[in-house]
Amino acid sequence: GAGVSQSPSNKVTEKGKDVELRCDPISGHTALYWYRQSLGQGLEFLIYFQGNSAPDKSGLPSDRFSAERTGGSVSTLTIQRTQQEDSAVYLCASSLVGLAGGSSYNEQFFGPGTRLTVL
Amino acid sequence: QKEVEQDPGPLSVPEGAIVSLNCTYSNSAFQYFMWYRQYSRKGPELLMYTYSSGNKEDGRFTAQVDKSSKYISLFIRDSQPSDSATYLCAMSARFQKLVFGTGTRLLVSP
Repeated sequence: GAGVSQSPSNKVTEKGKDVELRCDPISGHTALYWYRQSLGQGLEFLIYFQGNSAPDKSGLPSDRFSAERTGGSVSTLTIQRTQQEDSAVYLCASSLVGLAGGSSYNEQFFGPGTRLTVL
Repeated sequence: QKEVEQDPGPLSVPEGAIVSLNCTYSNSAFQYFMWYRQYSRKGPELLMYTYSSGNKEDGRFTAQVDKSSKYISLFIRDSQPSDSATYLCAMSARFQKLVFGTGTRLLVSP
């Protein structure tokens, strides 16, 4: 079956422009996550959706970053007035459910990422 | 100080060697521990998952968690050139938010 897909795969933009990054999760996965991977920094959590709600937005670095999810499926991460420090790979992941339960683990499946370069 | 510390490497070994990858962490609330493998220009894929302390084995891979020392390890036996990738440890208190190490780049030479 299809995995998590993200578009575009690469995005080059000029400082100050807005960008939209899209994530299509695995069908039926109710939980969706955005992470950012910067060189030498590892993956950094940005936001978590359960259905269309975002119970945890604690990782969004500034108010220039926002995300939404519609129909419990596709999600869009928007970065306004991009800065050079926003350059990174933005990864999306989805899982069946988001709530922890005892020892069971709901695996997060990752997409290939969108490589954002801000000039 | 980061919540999760991981040596970035690179770690270079010959084919057939035993590889040891490690992470330390500071948050005692972590109870779910994972190892992901990431090939260049790809998303991470789950290799191993361990709940709380203990060992887990899957083929050539063994994951160990020592919560008393806040230390986790991944061992790869009989390493192959196809194992060359970046290995990321990740951990969580309640799943929704995974906290990752920076990743260790592994190079296995034929």
